[in-house]
Parts: sequence; C-alpha cells; structure tokens
Amino acid sequence: NAGVTQTPKFQVLKTGQSMTLQCAQDMNHNSMYWYRQDPGMGLRLIYYSASEGTTDKGEVPNGYNVSRLNKREFSLRLESAAPSQTSVYFCASSVGRLAVQETQYFGPGTRLLVL
Amino acid sequence: DQQVKQNSPSLSVQEGRISILNCDYTNSMFDYFLWYKKYPAEGPTFLISISSIKDKNEDGRFTVFLNKSAKHLSLHIVPSQPGDSAVYFCAAILGYDMRFGAGTRLTVKP
Repeated sequence: NAGVTQTPKFQVLKTGQSMTLQCAQDMNHNSMYWYRQDPGMGLRLIYYSASEGTTDKGEVPNGYNVSRLNKREFSLRLESAAPSQTSVYFCASSVGRLAVQETQYFGPGTRLLVL
Repeated sequence: DQQVKQNSPSLSVQEGRISILNCDYTNSMFDYFLWYKKYPAEGPTFLISISSIKDKNEDGRFTVFLNKSAKHLSLHIVPSQPGDSAVYFCAAILGYDMRFGAGTRLTVKP
C-alpha cells in the first residue's frame, strides 16, 4: 500500500516547455487534489477532482490543466511553463468531501524549477 | 487574500517543555480546522483536527484549542520532544477547499 505517489520527484524546465506531473493513489479514494507550495506561503489549491470524471478550479488555477484519468490517477499539466511556476507541487487524496474525521493524504511532492 | 495566517515563522523550545503554535483565520464559514506536520522532502501528514462546533480536542500529547470569537486556534504539544521538530501548518476547510497557513518551523532542543 504505497498511498499517494508522484512522479517525477524533481524536474527542470525551460520557459515555454510543457510537462505533466503524475499522481496516483491506491487507497480507493474518490477525491484528489493538486497544491503548490511556495516559500513563505502555505499550500495553495490549484485544482481538485471531487470524484472520477469531475474537476474544479481551486485558488490558483491559471497556467495549469488537469485530467482525472481514472479513479486512481490525477495529472497536472503545464502547457507553457513560466518561472513563476517554480514551486513544490503536492498531490493529495481523500475519501470524499473533507470533514473533521476525514482528511487528505499527501504525496511526497514534485520539485519543479523553471528557468 | 490569505484567509489563514500563522504569524510566527519559527519557534524554538526546550525538550520537555510546552510548544504553542498559533493560527488566525478570517473566514467565519470554515467548518473544520486541522494541523499538519511536515518533514523536509516529505508531504504533510495529518496531526489533529477540530470541528467548528467544539473548542478543544486532545490526542495524546497534542491538544488543539479553537476560539471562534477571536477566529484563533492553537496547537499545544506537551511535553515537546526532539522528534517533534518539523514545520507545522494549520489549515481550514470549507467543503473541498482547504486553506493553509504559511507554516511555523518548530525546533525542539535536547
């Protein structure tokens, strides 16, 4: 039981390049999330998928697209990377709607550097 | 618009003493509040939570207090241990939306 896995662990991109961050969970969770964490700031929600087949914008969606490929996998795509997207990206999952007894489980993060 | 704020970037305490981490929020609609702990190169891990209808929740050495009128919550760790050294994030939930504070780095000295 690996929990939430993310690939790659680290990536360097040039401005304008595209890439897809992969996330998978093996806990049979319905909901999945993508966050970014920047220095001096908390994690900020980019997109989430409440259930398979649905996606919704979070707090900072601009410059990103997501795909809920199936119940296990949720990918984040940067179509044209910008230096402002240099960050650590975390994927998370939860059984469903967040509640006091139900929280999110996070992956180890992907560190992205855009030059 | 940072709806959840942790105004102390760092805190240092002696082993065995109490650690108190603070968090303020602005949105009175938040349903639940949580604390996460994060070690370097790892994702955050859930520590403890509290519903907006309660004012205290305990789990072993960890206690979270919620003061709704002041829109303030705190995490108490007693006694503090060196293994508690990490970054602590408070978070607030409204539906699927979870807003995080910037984190407080706790260092527990032996």
